[in-house]
Amino acid sequence: EADIYQTPRYLVIGTGKKITLECSQTMGHDKMYWYQQDPGMELHLIHYSYGVNSTEKGDLSSESTVSRIRTEHFPLTLESARPSHTSQYLCASRPDRGGNTIYFGEGSWLTVV
Amino acid sequence: GEDVEQSLFLSVREGDSSVINCTYTDSSSTYLYWYKQEPGAGLQLLTYIFSNMDMKQDQRLTVLLNKKDKHLSLRIADTQTGDSAIYFCADDGGYNKLIFGAGTRLAVHP
Repeated sequence: EADIYQTPRYLVIGTGKKITLECSQTMGHDKMYWYQQDPGMELHLIHYSYGVNSTEKGDLSSESTVSRIRTEHFPLTLESARPSHTSQYLCASRPDRGGNTIYFGEGSWLTVV
Repeated sequence: GEDVEQSLFLSVREGDSSVINCTYTDSSSTYLYWYKQEPGAGLQLLTYIFSNMDMKQDQRLTVLLNKKDKHLSLRIADTQTGDSAIYFCADDGGYNKLIFGAGTRLAVHP
């Protein structure tokens, strides 16, 4: 059973609003990831972290930002949402070493109108 | 940078075997994964293989890894309609980034 949680699960917001998608895991994993996925399409890595105070941009350019102040928490923020940000955002985590299982959250479906 | 490629579509008859292929470019991969995603749902881990193995079997699923050619395949025996989904291959890049392929859409017809 994966102990990784994302909130909100579903959100509709207006253009220009600021939004933070929350991701928390209680497994003590060092590595955490954010992916963006349009329905039925491929996953694009947008941010990842190797541990506290470590954040890196992924392969897909994103206007979002992330922070990693605590091991268990990896929030993603959009300062000014646009309709092009409408997508599903998936958070994942894995142990630093010796762990082969990657755990995914259930996803946050964001619609910007 | 690292890349993972998959064919986009596969159609099979119910009861036949399905083979989904994947190629990757990262030579430092430690684990390679297969995930299943049904419409509107999250990612479900199906199976994974450690890079020093060449085969892994798990019930109806068989994973083959050719490390020299950087080729990974997933065989589903006795494919059922419930297997219809998108299947993603993923490469961990040696415990670093997790890179996914574009997904193979498997359609199972009677």
